[in-house]
Amino acid sequence: AQSVTQPDIHITVSEGASLELRCNYSYGATPYLFWYVQSPGQGLQLLLKYFSGDTLVQGIKGFEAEFKRSQSSFNLRKPSVHWSDAAEYFCAATDSWGKLQFGAGTQVVVTP
Amino acid sequence: SQTIHQWPATLVQPVGSPLSLECTVEGTSNPNLYWYRQAAGRGLQLLFYSVGIGQISSEVPQNLSASRPQDRQFILSSKKLLLSDSGFYLCAWKRGRSGSPLHFGNGTRLTVT
Repeated sequence: AQSVTQPDIHITVSEGASLELRCNYSYGATPYLFWYVQSPGQGLQLLLKYFSGDTLVQGIKGFEAEFKRSQSSFNLRKPSVHWSDAAEYFCAATDSWGKLQFGAGTQVVVTP
Repeated sequence: SQTIHQWPATLVQPVGSPLSLECTVEGTSNPNLYWYRQAAGRGLQLLFYSVGIGQISSEVPQNLSASRPQDRQFILSSKKLLLSDSGFYLCAWKRGRSGSPLHFGNGTRLTVT
């Protein structure tokens, strides 16, 4: 069955430190991949997306993600986090036919 | 540019009362429309989606229903709310072509008392 897994439920990071959020997918072929961010009480905002081509994808707010076919992963990174990056992050995937499937989310806490 | 409007932002309703949440999209035509629910600690659950007027697909059997009376309007309803219907409801839209991302509204916080 198709699935998206975010292994980390909760991550705490210091302001200014780097951040990496993990995402693994299980699909028959390479799906379309997305990262979303959700601030408390808000809807989800699209950070970036991967369809094909360059495996390093740049997004908004200084985020990037790297697609690794051999590891079935699409990890999200930011070199230096800001307090405003505290939020919940969702990885999602879809193939040509199906609906968007979300991971369970990773809650990011930023400490001073 | 496209925008999605969802209202109300918050709602407190007693058990057994009806529900109507509305969502509209501007700036595009024939979008795919979606209703999701987030319960605390349970991630995003797809409730309904629609690829056209009057076409509704239900993902999870439950106390809720959805309708699409116009191309860019999507309504989530219930005749009698249950306590378990409490949650954060999100409307979203996407273009019909493969791989298009979802775009979300700001959500409705529903508390059933």
